[in-house]
Amino acid sequence: AQSVSQHNHHVILSEAASLELGCNYSYGGTVNLFWYVQYPGQHLQLLLKYFSGDPLVKGIKGFEAEFIKSKFSFNLRKPSVQWSDTAEYFCAVNAFTSGTYKYIFGTGTRLKVLA
Amino acid sequence: GAVVSQHPSWVICKSGTSVKIECRSLDFQATTMFWYRQFPKQSLMLMATSNEGSKATYEQGVEKDKFLINHASLTLSTLTVTSAHPEDSSFYICSAQTPSGGFTNTQYFGPGTRLTVL
Repeated sequence: AQSVSQHNHHVILSEAASLELGCNYSYGGTVNLFWYVQYPGQHLQLLLKYFSGDPLVKGIKGFEAEFIKSKFSFNLRKPSVQWSDTAEYFCAVNAFTSGTYKYIFGTGTRLKVLA
Repeated sequence: GAVVSQHPSWVICKSGTSVKIECRSLDFQATTMFWYRQFPKQSLMLMATSNEGSKATYEQGVEKDKFLINHASLTLSTLTVTSAHPEDSSFYICSAQTPSGGFTNTQYFGPGTRLTVL
């Protein structure tokens, strides 16, 4: 069965530290991959997405993610985090299952950035 | 662009009553909308896929008679929780999918509705 794993459930960083959040998926077909962010009290917002082409994808707010097909991974990175990056981050894969495309979400990673 | 709204943002109801939640795509037409449930400190669980003009497709384990979905127009889908019980208390989130073709679709999410059943 298709699945998405986010190994880091909670991450605490100081401002200016570098960030890398892991995301691995289990899906045999061609994938679309997404990272969404949910700030406290707000709705999910799209950070970035990968459909095809350059495996290094740049998103909003200085985030980027790298698709490594051989590792079934799509890790999210940011060179220098800010306090305002405190949020929950979700990785998702758009998979064709049961006759339609649907998202499969990871369990999320809560990031806390200390000022 | 790609804004999705939900109404109400929160609702409190008595056990046994029904609650309707609306999901609207404000600046694009969405042939497909999705309804999710999010438990505290957990990920989103897909409940059903709502296609305009046709019956919703429910995920395994989701009671279709309890969670009624109607997608009457290209910008509106509704979720009705019928005969709500305390265990239905949760955060319900909808998303609307841009109609760019199945493989490259992107979902945009509403702000969610907090349902509390007393």
